[in-house]
Amino acid sequence: QQQVKQSPQSLIVQKGGISIINCAYENTAFDYFPWYQQFPGKGPALLIAIRPDVSEKKEGRFTISFNKSAKQFSLHIMDSQPGDSATYFCAATRGAQKLVFGQGTRLTINP
Amino acid sequence: GAVVSQHPSRVICKSGTSVKIECRSLDFQATTMFWYRQFPKQSLMLMATSNEGSKATYEQGVEKDKFLINHASLTLSTLTVTSAHPEDSSFYICSARDRLGYRETQHFGDGTRLSIL
Repeated sequence: QQQVKQSPQSLIVQKGGISIINCAYENTAFDYFPWYQQFPGKGPALLIAIRPDVSEKKEGRFTISFNKSAKQFSLHIMDSQPGDSATYFCAATRGAQKLVFGQGTRLTINP
Repeated sequence: GAVVSQHPSRVICKSGTSVKIECRSLDFQATTMFWYRQFPKQSLMLMATSNEGSKATYEQGVEKDKFLINHASLTLSTLTVTSAHPEDSSFYICSARDRLGYRETQHFGDGTRLSIL
């Protein structure tokens, strides 16, 4: 009930391409869905987040798509760049409760 | 804004040593801080939730006597790994929730790489 399942585990995309990472959740009480970006040896940094009252949120090259009925949400990185190579984590929570993280996706952008 | 500083960034010590890791919110007050552990190529595992002025809440399976947490002020929480052994080697990350910000948002530090010889 508390799990967030993330796929794929790793992803290789050519420079300029679109990177897509997917997450699925079970707990319908979740009402906040952030994505974090983590570089090796660093802590996660908040990239973008969405609430279930909207189906899409865009910030620059990063877009979250949210499907409430399917209990799924995804991160799209447009025009992917080598500097986007990192590990990405989706998460879910409700209010002041703890974050439930996905398993992570290691993204590699080939130049 | 919303900077969390974690110190030290890396520590190497002998088995049996106790190690203290500090987590500071530099430009905001944090009533709640979180401590995570991350193994290589794995996700973050919540160890405990630290509330200012009260005892920490530990996740199931985390030894509270092994991992001592003190949240003495609105800007500082410490994690002490007592009598550390090689199996305690890991990447420890703290996060903090801004008292005046969105309650869902956590700001993360850059982690501490702990290596026990």
